[in-house]
Amino acid sequence: GNSVTQMEGPVTLSEEAFLTINCTYTATGYPSLFWYVQYPGEGLQLLLKATKADDKGSNKGFEATYRKETTSFHLEKGSVQVSDSAVYFCALSDQGTGNQFYFGTGTSLTVIP
Amino acid sequence: KAGVTQTPRYLIKTRGQQVTLSCSPISGHRSVSWYQQTPGQGLQFLFEYFSETQRNKGNFPGRFSGRQFSNSRSEMNVSTLELGDSALYLCASSHPGLAGQETQYFGPGTRLLVL
Repeated sequence: GNSVTQMEGPVTLSEEAFLTINCTYTATGYPSLFWYVQYPGEGLQLLLKATKADDKGSNKGFEATYRKETTSFHLEKGSVQVSDSAVYFCALSDQGTGNQFYFGTGTSLTVIP
Repeated sequence: KAGVTQTPRYLIKTRGQQVTLSCSPISGHRSVSWYQQTPGQGLQFLFEYFSETQRNKGNFPGRFSGRQFSNSRSEMNVSTLELGDSALYLCASSHPGLAGQETQYFGPGTRLLVL
């Protein structure tokens, strides 16, 4: 079946540090991969996506590359800011299961000045 | 375009009661999905509606039901509430596109507390 495994949190970084949040997946078909971010008291916002192998999604300085050989979609940012403090979710959708998204457990990031 | 809206934002109910939550998708989006978010179980898929028909369903008991109207607005209903139903209920909408590649856009959620 489909599943997403995400790096356990919480993660605490100093401002301007490098961020990596690991995400690996299992899928029966050809999944699309997503990163969503959730700020306190809010819903999920799309951060970036990739729909096929070797695609790189990027947005607001965040990047993730769809690696089929390692079934991974790790999120990276070169220099985090305090405003990046949030919970990050890795997710997949599979054309075999329509619009159903499978989410990881979420990684809480706190950036301290 | 206005985003996905959910009403009410907060709700307090007691065990045994029923509740109805509402979701208005982004204009032009015909698919609406519902998720339950809890600290213990994370984000779990409830069901998806497309063109007034349930297209997909997660592993939740029959107490959880939904429907979609001709204007794509959706409601979900939970009957005979249990304490464990306390959660953030998120609605997401998407525009028809390639299956499995559609981005879902989430509303702010309805926080339900069952006492």
